[in-house]
Amino acid sequence: AQSVAQPEDQVNVAEGNPLTVKCTYSVSGNPYLFWYVQYPNRGLQFLLKYITGDNLVKGSYGFEAEFNKSQTSFHLKKPSALVSDSALYFCAVRPYGNNRLAFGKGNQVVVIP
Amino acid sequence: DSGVTQTPKHLITATGQRVTLRCSPRSGDLSVYWYQQSLDQGLQFLIQYYNGEERAKGNILERFSAQQFPDLHSELNLSSLELGDSALYFCASSPQSSGANVLTFGAGSRLTVL
Repeated sequence: AQSVAQPEDQVNVAEGNPLTVKCTYSVSGNPYLFWYVQYPNRGLQFLLKYITGDNLVKGSYGFEAEFNKSQTSFHLKKPSALVSDSALYFCAVRPYGNNRLAFGKGNQVVVIP
Repeated sequence: DSGVTQTPKHLITATGQRVTLRCSPRSGDLSVYWYQQSLDQGLQFLIQYYNGEERAKGNILERFSAQQFPDLHSELNLSSLELGDSALYFCASSPQSSGANVLTFGAGSRLTVL
């Protein structure tokens, strides 16, 4: 069965500094990988996904993620964090040909003004 | 507004009771997913339907059941409720049932069991 690990409970970063949220996954075969963001009292919103091809994926709000097959990682990055980026971030994985989309436990990102 | 509608937004009930959560998917989406979000368990996949048929099952308790109706709306039934069932229940929808489909989430139904 597929699984996702987001090792840090909370990521604190100063506004304007680079932001990285880590994600590693375990899956049989090739994966589809996703990042979602959840703002307080809201549902999850899609940020970006990796299907195949270029390992660097660009998404919404200036976020990008790098797929690394050898390290089974899909870290989310943003060059310059904004206070409004403070939210809960979820990494998710779905193997090719599988219906189940498994989410990590989420990382709380706090951007300090 | 994501286009996925969940009702009710908030629900408070007692242990042993039964509740039904309702979800209307985004227009054109055939697949519906149910997730449970709690502080200690994170976001847990419960069950998925595609065009009325069950497609995948996750960590759904036997006390819970779900279905997707011909008009594609879905209901999640929770019975013999326990304190530990208190959580935020999300419905999500997607056009197809697998692959690289992006899930669109509703705002959730917050269940409190007293």
